[in-house]
Amino acid sequence: RKEVEQDPGPFNVPEGATVAFNCTYSNSASQSFFWYRQDCRKEPKLLMSVYSSGNEDGRFTAQLNRASQYISLLIRDSKLSDSATYLCVVNLNTGNQFYFGTGTSLTVIP
Amino acid sequence: DVKVTQSSRYLVKRTGEKVFLECVQDMDHENMFWYRQDPGLGLRLIYFSYDVKMKEKGDIPEGYSVSREKKERFSLILESASTNQTSMYLCASSYRGRGELFFGEGSRLTVL
Repeated sequence: RKEVEQDPGPFNVPEGATVAFNCTYSNSASQSFFWYRQDCRKEPKLLMSVYSSGNEDGRFTAQLNRASQYISLLIRDSKLSDSATYLCVVNLNTGNQFYFGTGTSLTVIP
Repeated sequence: DVKVTQSSRYLVKRTGEKVFLECVQDMDHENMFWYRQDPGLGLRLIYFSYDVKMKEKGDIPEGYSVSREKKERFSLILESASTNQTSMYLCASSYRGRGELFFGEGSRLTVL
């Protein structure tokens, strides 16, 4: 079983739509959670950390459900510039064990 | 602004050649990592280092070695490149025990 699982998509949504991605993790000892954005042929960049109480940054909302062991990312009012691959990343806080989902591809269509 | 710099963005090498990929970070991070990323497989850990001269194997260390002589620098070495090592190589760093990963821009290696 993979440590982190994501629906690879692709998600093709019109501009202005709301889209949600989920990610499940298998290790209940996981402590830190992140969403990264990766553009084509570029490196992953941190989009946002995910906190236990949930957190919001503009059009982006991240939530954590420890009981069900999943994290989610909600994007409201999608923009063309949101088109990218979104990676779910989980860390055990041992310092070296980061686990990655394979990414969810999003294309926002005009 | 924090920065992880990979020395080579694009390389083309021949089978059997020795390849050096270098990575430098300016954030005084203890941890440094080398990953490779392939379509459909996601990021896979090759090696990581938690201190100078310390290294540990990741999930796919075969065919690779690493060197960390200084805290800010972590090198990946392919002793004898093979075609199945054609990939995107990503260096990353983090503080020990906390925080997120910071990635370099990646080195796209093609082995002919």
